[in-house]
Amino acid sequence: DGGITQSPKYLFRKEGQNVTLSCEQNLNHDAMYWYRQDPGQGLRLIYYSQIVNDFQKGDIAEGYSVSREKKESFPLTVTSAQKNPTAFYLCASSLPGLEAYFGPGTRLTVL
Amino acid sequence: SQQGEEDPQALSIQEGENATMNCSYKTSINNLQWYRQNSGRGLVHLILIRSNEREKHSGRLRVTLDTSKKSSSLLITASRAADTASYFCATGPTGANSKLTFGKGITLSVRP
Repeated sequence: DGGITQSPKYLFRKEGQNVTLSCEQNLNHDAMYWYRQDPGQGLRLIYYSQIVNDFQKGDIAEGYSVSREKKESFPLTVTSAQKNPTAFYLCASSLPGLEAYFGPGTRLTVL
Repeated sequence: SQQGEEDPQALSIQEGENATMNCSYKTSINNLQWYRQNSGRGLVHLILIRSNEREKHSGRLRVTLDTSKKSSSLLITASRAADTASYFCATGPTGANSKLTFGKGITLSVRP
């Protein structure tokens, strides 16, 4: 059963803490993406990766970090440097030039 | 920066009517894609149209692309209450870059 999964579904963070959001895909896709969604803002690209061990900053990379050690996995760390991290985070994957498949999302709330 | 800009921001129609949504973009593209999102969920891909295509159909969906005007439209015919969702356009750039950029989305409400 192929697909893309994100965990956890809900995440609560205290101010000053780093948290890591998980994203895994078994679709054999080369490209993976992380987006942030705020109400009325649409999707904004945080980071994307086209191949293993390589990734590029998107439009709002400050305060976030990623790694791509395996083709299947693209975890996102929200660091304490991100001043307003409360948002809905979406991970996606695709083959080059084709449609993206999205995970169900992680809702992060800072307490 | 967001490449795609959808129009209108919100649309409310009666069940059975057609819904037309528009998307404009700024730079050259390899393809343009439309997605749907139900509240609090991930996005679902609807249709992809390549830069050398002008029109594409999938069930009740019709997409057009005008590269000279850098615009696309999504038409949903005979709408249903279940079509209520947010709709996004996304652009795939030319070249080897896989970067996929989304607009802010259109909220469609279909009244039963």
